[in-house]
Amino acid sequence: EIVLTQSPGTLSLSPGERATLSCRASQSLITNYVAWYQQKPGQAPRLLIYGASSRATGIPDRFSGSGSGTDFTLTISRLEPEDFAVYYCQQYDISPHMYTFGQGTKLEIK
Amino acid sequence: QVQLVQSGAEMKEPGASVKISCKAVGYSLATNYIHWVRQAPGQGLEWMGIITPSTGGTNYAQNFQGRVTITSDTSTSTIYMTLSSLRFDDTAIYYCARGGRPWSSQPFDIWGQGTLITVSS
Repeated sequence: EIVLTQSPGTLSLSPGERATLSCRASQSLITNYVAWYQQKPGQAPRLLIYGASSRATGIPDRFSGSGSGTDFTLTISRLEPEDFAVYYCQQYDISPHMYTFGQGTKLEIK
Repeated sequence: QVQLVQSGAEMKEPGASVKISCKAVGYSLATNYIHWVRQAPGQGLEWMGIITPSTGGTNYAQNFQGRVTITSDTSTSTIYMTLSSLRFDDTAIYYCARGGRPWSSQPFDIWGQGTLITVSS
């Protein structure tokens, strides 16, 4: 079973700053089937990034994803007030069916 | 507007079963996988299982094998998730989410609003 470890657990930044969130896989994800989700309190998660680096429909270009193999990164170039939330990475694959989430990174206002 | 609309909150006693629903609106249910994901209070996301609505084929996470059943009714565009032998630690919000088309690896692009299941005596 693949384990995804996100770091840091909590990230304290101010609006306008750059945020860098990490997701490390316990084994190489050669397909790069990695997604990132944003979740705000009381809401369902929202897809931000898929295929490690492709933005989902309607996602602002200040969000970007990168990485390959075992190390993946979500970058928010300039934080807006609405970006403070919890972020999850996910590995997804149908062969075999495997959908694992990281434990999440909380991005909070400093 | 494409959305997944889930049934309302449930409260059950330990040992009971619960069945909740997820209705696809604005698209054909048959065209995409549907997943179930749960989130315990203050915790992260946990994948439970997947169904191919057009065939009824399912695959369940090992943690839930034997306790979860996911079914589909394409005539009403509705997916059902039954969780049996409920325990206190099954208290969580349960989400349905749309995956990719059959045989394609895709993330979860549409999520239901969530259904709170509370297990309490």
